Amino acid sequence: EPEVTQTPSHQVTQMGQEVILRCVPISNHLYFYWYRQILGQKVEFLVSFYNNEISEKSEIFDDQFSVERPDGSNFTLKIRSTKLEDSAMYFCASSLAAHEQFFGPGTRLTVL
Amino acid sequence: QKEVEQDPGPLSVPEGAIVSLNCTYSNSAFQYFMWYRQYSRKGPELLMYTYSSGNKEDGRFTAQVDKSSKYISLFIRDSQPSDSATYLCAMSATGGSYIPTFGRGTSLIVHP
Repeated sequence: EPEVTQTPSHQVTQMGQEVILRCVPISNHLYFYWYRQILGQKVEFLVSFYNNEISEKSEIFDDQFSVERPDGSNFTLKIRSTKLEDSAMYFCASSLAAHEQFFGPGTRLTVL
Repeated sequence: QKEVEQDPGPLSVPEGAIVSLNCTYSNSAFQYFMWYRQYSRKGPELLMYTYSSGNKEDGRFTAQVDKSSKYISLFIRDSQPSDSATYLCAMSATGGSYIPTFGRGTSLIVHP
């Protein structure tokens, strides 16, 4: 069964450093998303991507964040200058329709 | 008032019990109602979704939507220890933003 994959599973970085989180969505899906989940809190939407451009973003997704689909399979989230409060699980998801999203296993980002 | 409310639990039941998990919401524009299961430190897994009101059954799981009360439920029959997880409800509208809004999840523990 096709699935969304994410790398790395755990990323530790120093405050102020840049990180890139990687995702391989399900191959025939058209919509791609990034979410984050701070420990013990709800899943929060960051950004959605369709047809090689951002289709929607939340107020969390400020100028320190960017997304890219550099080739036909990868989808990346870049955080330019990490802050302590960026520590969270980051989930990539993909879908053919917004109500039927398939999530990856997540990347745990720890900012020291 | 938060858009989606979900009791975090934990809800502890014996194996074989019928489990009822619930969410309330305030946004009458929500039309799609999703249930996700999330094991500890894993990504959410879509269990099922319903459109508008009514019931939907899939194996031991039944989703129910009451739009007049803005209340949705997930019933799990013959619960198993492997059902122990956090259950997230999520909802999305069909106009404007299609991005789902998540509840904070209910932790379910099924003990043998």
